[in-house]
Amino acid sequence: AQKVTQAQTEISVVEKEDVTLDCVYETRDTTYYLFWYKQPPSGELVFLIRRNSFDEQNEISGRYSWNFQKSTSSFNFTITASQVVDSAVYFCALSSYNQGGKLIFGQGTELSVKP
Amino acid sequence: DAGITQSPRYKITETGRQVTLMCHQTWSHSYMFWYRQDLGHGLRLIYYSAAADITDKGEVPDGYVVSRSKTENFPLTLESATRSQTSVYFCASSDRTGVSYEQYFGPGTRLTVT
Repeated sequence: AQKVTQAQTEISVVEKEDVTLDCVYETRDTTYYLFWYKQPPSGELVFLIRRNSFDEQNEISGRYSWNFQKSTSSFNFTITASQVVDSAVYFCALSSYNQGGKLIFGQGTELSVKP
Repeated sequence: DAGITQSPRYKITETGRQVTLMCHQTWSHSYMFWYRQDLGHGLRLIYYSAAADITDKGEVPDGYVVSRSKTENFPLTLESATRSQTSVYFCASSDRTGVSYEQYFGPGTRLTVT
């Protein structure tokens, strides 16, 4: 069975702090993709990143970085020097060929960045 | 450039009534999806469609019906609404096979069943 676990339901930080959102996944497939989506208070879902199972290189985009480790089945998301605009619910998701490409979402982590 | 739109954005209905939520995309994406978002559950897949006239069940299909006669439209119908179907519904689309391609989401429909 495929599963995505985001153990942190809520996180609260003060602006400029670094914060890491955890994502642990389960799959028996060897080919799969991992995603992060952001849902700001306005409600829409915004795609942030996609990673395939064969590429464990970490990725950095501005203040955002992602650490993919197959050995621990984790795909963690770090925001450096957080800002109030980063306040949102963040979802990790998994997709694989054997599941017909259907996205399996974690429960989400609500991040609150206080000024 | 509308992208993917949903209507209505908000809907209040009574138990037992039929409700249809509309989804329209302008990208000609092959794949379309319906999710519901509930507190503590994240997003759960209701139905999806790989192309016009091809639909399949997701994780929580009971009580819902879909159709896809045109590539750009993917309506979701609640045949007899129940309170447990109070939720936020998101439509999404994806180009080609959905495995490696990100899904683009509509703005959501907040449905309340009284």
